Formats: sequence, C-alpha cells, structure tokens
Amino acid sequence: KNQVEQSPQSLIILEGKNCTLQCNYTVSPFSNLRWYKQDTGRGPVSLTIMTFSENTKSNGRYTATLDADTKQSSLHITASQLSDSASYICVVSETSYGYKLSFGAGTTVTVRA
Amino acid sequence: DVKVTQSSRYLVKRTGEKVFLECVQDMDHENMFWYRQDPGLGLRLIYFSYDVKMKEKGDIPEGYSVSREKKERFSLILESASTNQTSMYLCASSLPPGREQYFGPGTRLTVT
Repeated sequence: KNQVEQSPQSLIILEGKNCTLQCNYTVSPFSNLRWYKQDTGRGPVSLTIMTFSENTKSNGRYTATLDADTKQSSLHITASQLSDSASYICVVSETSYGYKLSFGAGTTVTVRA
Repeated sequence: DVKVTQSSRYLVKRTGEKVFLECVQDMDHENMFWYRQDPGLGLRLIYFSYDVKMKEKGDIPEGYSVSREKKERFSLILESASTNQTSMYLCASSLPPGREQYFGPGTRLTVT
C-alpha cells in the first residue's frame, strides 16, 4: 500500500497562474519530506527538502509547506511558466539514513500559453 | 555538480535475453540505488548498495540482480528479461545518512 498519496493526479493551468499540489502521507517514523520535479524523459531533480521541524521552504517560485501533525504537505507554484510543465513527486524518508524512501505517484502539471 | 549517468536512454530487448543496465556517478557517493518507475505508481526500489560489493534488496528485487565492483559503478542485471520488466529504470546515488538522492536520466527498457 502506497504510503504517500498525491493529488490531483494531473492539472492544466495557464501560463502566469498559480497552482498548489497536495501530498498526504502515513509514513512513520518520519525523517524528512522532499519534492522532486521530473521533466518528461528525465530523472527527478530535487526542489525542496524539509525536516520534521520545518514548515515551509522556498526555491524560487516553488514553495513547499509541511504540517507534520496532519501529515500533509503542499507545493505551491507561483506565476507558472511553460518550463514548469513536468511531474512533481512527493517523497518521504522513513529514517534519518535516507535510503528508505516512499514515493508518491506524482502530479503531472501542464502549463499552457 | 553531481553527475549520474546511465549507459542507455532507450533499450529494446527480447524475452529471455540477459540485460545489463549500467550506472556511473562521479561524486564518490557511498550509496547507489536502482528504481523502476511505472505509470500511476511511485518509484519502487529494486536494490541498493551502501558500499563496494555490498547490496541489499529493495521492495521488488525478484527477477533482478546487481553488481557493484567499483564505488562509482552500479549495474542492474535482468537475468532473463520478461515483458513485465518493460519500464523506466532510474539509478540514483547519495551520501549517507539521510542525504539527497541524485538521479540519472533513466533508461526506458522495452522487452518484446
């Protein structure tokens, strides 16, 4: 059973608009949560990483939030660009050793001009 | 910048063939990983290695084996390819513990 659920599965937005992606997890014990961006035909690239004690982290136009009490995270994309079209993957680390990761299935974002 | 390279971007093999997928990283990372990625599913860990000649099974090791003879190189072997192994295969590397994993570009394998 996947312990990381992402929603929506896909979304289409107009260039310049904002959007928010959701991630709910049941992984325990929790070490950190990461958001990755995966362009079509490429490997995932890290956007943000948050530990248990952090509740927000930004990387340019990407802002991730974390509520460790409710086990929810979100990724907000501001002023979307065509290059934001990609799959966004939520990844939760079960231990501080980092090798055991639980991956969400991803949200596919399409930005249209 | 960390660089993880994979030997092929696209590969087509026949059922029953032995398949080698190679991964090389240039950052002296101890940990290396092999995942497969299928539509609608998250990445699933096949095997990982925490040192030369050391390996541990991931969540879906059946039908696969691995080899790590040198620190920078981690190979995934499909002993007898089957159609249900058609997938995107991603290699990653990291420093321990709890550090970010860096991914290669992936190999899209099709078994016919």
